[in-house]
Amino acid sequence: QVQLQESGPGLVKPSETLSLTCTVFGGSIGDYYCSWIRQPPGKGLEWIGYIFGSGTTTYNPSLKTRVTMSVDTSKYQFSLKLTSVTAADTAVYYCACTVLGTDADLQHWGLGTLVTVSS
Amino acid sequence: DIQMTQSPSSLSSSVGDRVTITCRASQSVRTHLNWYQQKEGRAPMLLIYGASTLQSGVPSRFSGSGSGTDFTLTISSLQPEDFATYYCQQSYTTPRTFGQGTKLEIK
Repeated sequence: QVQLQESGPGLVKPSETLSLTCTVFGGSIGDYYCSWIRQPPGKGLEWIGYIFGSGTTTYNPSLKTRVTMSVDTSKYQFSLKLTSVTAADTAVYYCACTVLGTDADLQHWGLGTLVTVSS
Repeated sequence: DIQMTQSPSSLSSSVGDRVTITCRASQSVRTHLNWYQQKEGRAPMLLIYGASTLQSGVPSRFSGSGSGTDFTLTISSLQPEDFATYYCQQSYTTPRTFGQGTKLEIK
């Protein structure tokens, strides 16, 4: 069973770049595609985008100009960068990975990491 | 974007009750509809994918149905551990979109 762990700074200043990493344990990174999802405190879920082990990405148009996702197969890691953050980007950020070839989506989730945007 | 609308937004029920949550898509998503359970302070967990396929390890009291634009999640006999927030999500196209959630509370 694959396990995921998000990591990164819990506090980011306005206008700076949020950077998070999702490490995959117990699986071959090439067998998955991984999504990033966020949840503002007390609110619902927002899909940010996904990336395949090959590096192919698809982003939510609402965030597309500020988002970059990447993969480092040697480290079993997927990464998220979100530029020019504001208080509206304060949220718990989750990575969720799904094995290729299944009809499922968002199959395995990390615990999430809270990122607060504040000076 | 495809809009997903759940009803009700909140629901109070008792242990042993049969509960149904509805999800409607603004356009057809065929059967690319998934349900997630989220307990307070925890990450969501996939319950059902493809509208009706139970994710491995999920109890059989959970079931899903529907296709096109109208879907339901049913819990046949509520257990104490089922009190949580439930989200539907379409995976027919990008951007993936979620319903606003249904909070299931103990009566």
